[in-house]
Amino acid sequence: QVQLQESSPGLVRPSETLSLTCTVSGGSITSYFWSWIRRPPGKGLEWIGDIYHTGSTNYSPSLKSRVIISIDTSQNQFSLKMTSVTTADTAVYYCARFAYNYGSWYFDYWGRGALVSVSS
Amino acid sequence: SSELTQDPAVSVALGQTVRITCQGDTLRSYDASWYQQKPGQAPRRVVYGNNNRPLGISDRFSGSTSGNTASLTISGAQAEDEGDYYCNSRSSGENYYVVFGGGTKLTVL
Repeated sequence: QVQLQESSPGLVRPSETLSLTCTVSGGSITSYFWSWIRRPPGKGLEWIGDIYHTGSTNYSPSLKSRVIISIDTSQNQFSLKMTSVTTADTAVYYCARFAYNYGSWYFDYWGRGALVSVSS
Repeated sequence: SSELTQDPAVSVALGQTVRITCQGDTLRSYDASWYQQKPGQAPRRVVYGNNNRPLGISDRFSGSTSGNTASLTISGAQAEDEGDYYCNSRSSGENYYVVFGGGTKLTVL
């Protein structure tokens, strides 16, 4: 059974950099796409971006200028860095596996989520 | 358009059937996947592809797509089906983006 676990910085100051790591267990990271998704309080899910085991990335157009996703296949981990955060970046951040089958792309395994608060 | 549009809220009487819809151009390339999210929990996939369910998901959940509109149908809704439902799809091409619908809050009366 594949499991994902986010690390969480908890509190980040405005204008600083948010850093999260997702550790994958129960399966290899050297396949599939690996994504970051967030849900701000009172709002819906928002896709941030993803990475393939080769290091190839795709980002949300609205966040692309502030986000970097990287992968460490030796540690079965992938990471998110978001620069110049504001209070609007306060959210629960999820890591998830992105897969394709039956004509559809879908997130089949999710972490439990990590609450990140941006506040001074 | 890079958006998926869902009705913000839907209600259904206990035991009745409800349909949640999702509309967007990306659905012309790939079928939608659907997720249920309850407070304090991660989203859970309930339908993907053209009416496929993961193991452990009740057959009360079914999906369909027509043109740029995807639908999630819950037959015989139960109290435990209350929650937020999101559709999801991906644009075509190598430099793609992934999009979620705005979510539909389902209330079982």
